[in-house]
Amino acid sequence: AQKVTQAQTEISVVEKEDVTLDCVYETRDTTYYLFWYKQPPSGELVFLIRRNSFDEQNEISGRYSWNFQKSTSSFNFTITASQVVDSAVYFCALSEGHNTDKLIFGTGTRLQVFP
Amino acid sequence: SAVISQKPSRDICQRGTSLTIQCQVDSQVTMMFWYRQQPGQSLTLIATANQGSEATYESGFVIDKFPISRPNLTFSTLTVSNMSPEDSSIYLCSVLGLAGGNDFTDTQYFGPGTRLTVL
Repeated sequence: AQKVTQAQTEISVVEKEDVTLDCVYETRDTTYYLFWYKQPPSGELVFLIRRNSFDEQNEISGRYSWNFQKSTSSFNFTITASQVVDSAVYFCALSEGHNTDKLIFGTGTRLQVFP
Repeated sequence: SAVISQKPSRDICQRGTSLTIQCQVDSQVTMMFWYRQQPGQSLTLIATANQGSEATYESGFVIDKFPISRPNLTFSTLTVSNMSPEDSSIYLCSVLGLAGGNDFTDTQYFGPGTRLTVL
């Protein structure tokens, strides 16, 4: 059965620190997609990145980077030089097969960045 | 990405009443979904809103409690019926399959959510 585990419930850092949010997934499919979403205090869910199971290349977007490792079933998210505006709940999600209509979310990691 | 709006953004309701939440997209989309996020919890899919036909509900959710409409490719409503305090949640709509543009067509984009409190 599919499952997404975000073991870190809450992380607190001081501004400019680097922080890594862990995501471990379980699936029996060879084709799947992984996502990260950000939910700031206002409540909306903001899409950050999508990765398919055939693309293990790491990705960097500004201060954000993602490390996808199929060998450990992990899709970790690193914020470099964190800022107060990064404070949010971050969700990792999985969808199996070629369709992305069924998203399985992890329980989320609350990141607090203090000035 | 498309602009997705929800109305109301928040509401406080009395037990036993019903609330209808609207989701409007500025582009035609293939699929629309409704999620519930209980306080401090993750997101759970309620149902897929099907255009012109009955919604497809996930296990644990029923049409009598959460009737859904989708009259066209840009609009959907979710009604939370006969509310109890346990229905206090954020309700989010999402869309998949944006018409045109360079966005991923297989990425779900979410609306801003409706924060519901039931007293």
